[in-house]
Amino acid sequence: DGGITQSPKYLFRKEGQNVTLSCEQNLNHDAMYWYRQDPGQGLRLIYYSQIVNDFQKGDIAEGYSVSREKKESFPLTVTSAQKNPTAFYLCASSSRTEQYFGPGTRLTVT
Amino acid sequence: KNQVEQSPQSLIILEGKNCTLQCNYTVSPFSNLRWYKQDTGRGPVSLTIMTFSENTKSNGRYTATLDADTKQSSLHITASQLSDSASYICVVSANQAGTALIFGKGTTLSVSS
Repeated sequence: DGGITQSPKYLFRKEGQNVTLSCEQNLNHDAMYWYRQDPGQGLRLIYYSQIVNDFQKGDIAEGYSVSREKKESFPLTVTSAQKNPTAFYLCASSSRTEQYFGPGTRLTVT
Repeated sequence: KNQVEQSPQSLIILEGKNCTLQCNYTVSPFSNLRWYKQDTGRGPVSLTIMTFSENTKSNGRYTATLDADTKQSSLHITASQLSDSASYICVVSANQAGTALIFGKGTTLSVSS
């Protein structure tokens, strides 16, 4: 898991509520990423940020929002507009050559 | 369409045996190919990264090969251990920045005693 922390490990929310997932890294990486993992599917990119105060939509950004106010932090908010929010969420940061993943947060929305 | 296909979907082997996992890709442009190991409920951990010019790369009992002409890669695990039980994910990067990673669905390996 390197120097990337995600909290909490498990998160439960009621439908209609926004929820924010935390991601912190101490690897001094400029680039950070959020992925979603569903059973039987490959990881899909939600948002990425290559520098502080800048971020770009990935392949499945609808219903999600992010911020990058500090180099170390890249929180992801799952909004009530996300139709199927229950999933395993992975944060990553990268050097020039490699991506390092956090331990993940499993979000369950009922 | 950029795709990464892995086979088999799942595999069961006895402890101590060898196995080979396959990855075929149709990604353009191609920057590098990565193999990750993901334990259940954990984040993926990098095993190997290979660029276009590299044919093989090893990391302990893990050896990855790359044939850029046929767009195929394999991950060979030697003398398997119970701790090798995990999902193995093949990932192809379409750029050097790493912002265009195409993930395979993974091969689930179970090593039994």
